[in-house]
Amino acid sequence: GAGVSQTPSNKVTEKGKYVELRCDPISGHTALYWYRQSLGQGPEFLIYFQGTGAADDSGLPNDRFFAVRPEGSVSTLKIQRTERGDSAVYLCASSPGQGSYGYTFGSGTRLTVV
Amino acid sequence: DAKTTQPPSMDCAEGRAANLPCNHSTISGNEYVYWYRQIHSQGPQYIIHGLKNNETNEMASLIITEDRKSSTLILPHATLRDTAVYYCIVRVESDYKLSFGAGTTVTVRA
Repeated sequence: GAGVSQTPSNKVTEKGKYVELRCDPISGHTALYWYRQSLGQGPEFLIYFQGTGAADDSGLPNDRFFAVRPEGSVSTLKIQRTERGDSAVYLCASSPGQGSYGYTFGSGTRLTVV
Repeated sequence: DAKTTQPPSMDCAEGRAANLPCNHSTISGNEYVYWYRQIHSQGPQYIIHGLKNNETNEMASLIITEDRKSSTLILPHATLRDTAVYYCIVRVESDYKLSFGAGTTVTVRA
């Protein structure tokens, strides 16, 4: 596609539920990133994929958060037992390769846990 | 461990130049200065980057001081669509992480 696509754009879920957030990167981009942005703050790094493997997941806040990219393209961020503090905008970005300044972000998924 | 300091907000008149400052006094020799902006309800968008020399593209100009401890992003003719949060980031070009601070909220007024 022309840009990074994230679905859904908005998600409201009840505390304790499981959610999946999807990211479709730009075609051919091997690097994919997830960030989380809380209200009034800049985005914070969560995880980086190079191809199918998670090269750096040091930003994931705890073991309720997990992400996959099984075929090296689409990625899914999975959150188990959601908490109200997980409410944020989850941003996905992709780039042609590691460190490339061709970094392109999607518009994000706004997750609200009630 | 913020590497950059930016004013929290600034206003600018439509049609005038907007000069956005950024301090990065601890920048390393191999770190570039990057600028991104985030318009409401969108993801961050790359604007420009530079190492030592001043840079210009169709969106903006980047002026980096000789000692590289600070820089200024210049939007030459601000429009209402330039209203956004602007982030100044320093990073090694091979870094895959972008470390965002709080940025500067720029409001362009008619």
